[in-house]
Amino acid sequence: DAGVIQSPRHEVTEMGQEVTLRCKPISGHNSLFWYRQTMMRGLELLIYFNNNVPIDDSGMPEDRFSAKMPNASFSTLKIQPSEPRDSAVYFCASSLEGGYGYTFGSGTRLTVV
Amino acid sequence: GDSVTQMEGPVTLSEEAFLTINCTYTATGYPSLFWYVQYPGEGLQLLLKATKADDKGSNKGFEATYRKETTSFHLEKGSVQVSDSAVYFCALSRTGANSKLTFGKGITLSVRP
Repeated sequence: DAGVIQSPRHEVTEMGQEVTLRCKPISGHNSLFWYRQTMMRGLELLIYFNNNVPIDDSGMPEDRFSAKMPNASFSTLKIQPSEPRDSAVYFCASSLEGGYGYTFGSGTRLTVV
Repeated sequence: GDSVTQMEGPVTLSEEAFLTINCTYTATGYPSLFWYVQYPGEGLQLLLKATKADDKGSNKGFEATYRKETTSFHLEKGSVQVSDSAVYFCALSRTGANSKLTFGKGITLSVRP
């Protein structure tokens, strides 16, 4: 199994631009999670899906952030417009059920200048 | 709600020293407990887990025992190596649909040669 695949690995963009991060979960996993990691705030859960349905998006910082999961094998996290304070590492993770633990992707390092 | 508390860091040890990283949790019922490790520049990886009271999870020389009476899941290793330098996260989760992991803040371990 290739694991959870995220793209791109690194993204540098200018303030105000739209950014789209992508995630392919492990085949057969029915839960998908988006996290953001920064030195100041640590690891934050942004949103998670179960069977492609958003369950809890209370961690999404503001309306500039949106996430979709159109099918069981693909999810996107979009930031529009991006701001320098969005600079962070964004992780995607998937699981069969939470009790079995997650498998994390390698992350996307986003830098907004 | 559920929460996980980890000891304050960072922790610096010499190679071959004994390691203990404390973790306590607050939750009703019987959650599953996990330790994740994050090496520099990588995503989080599942290190070990325990799903019921008195279970001992172990992997790569690390061990942790699920203590219901003290609501703890302390991580131990008898002899650390330089390659163990990483950030360690304690987490809990419930089984079932719509479940999610609740993480502690993480602790950075540095091992000196």
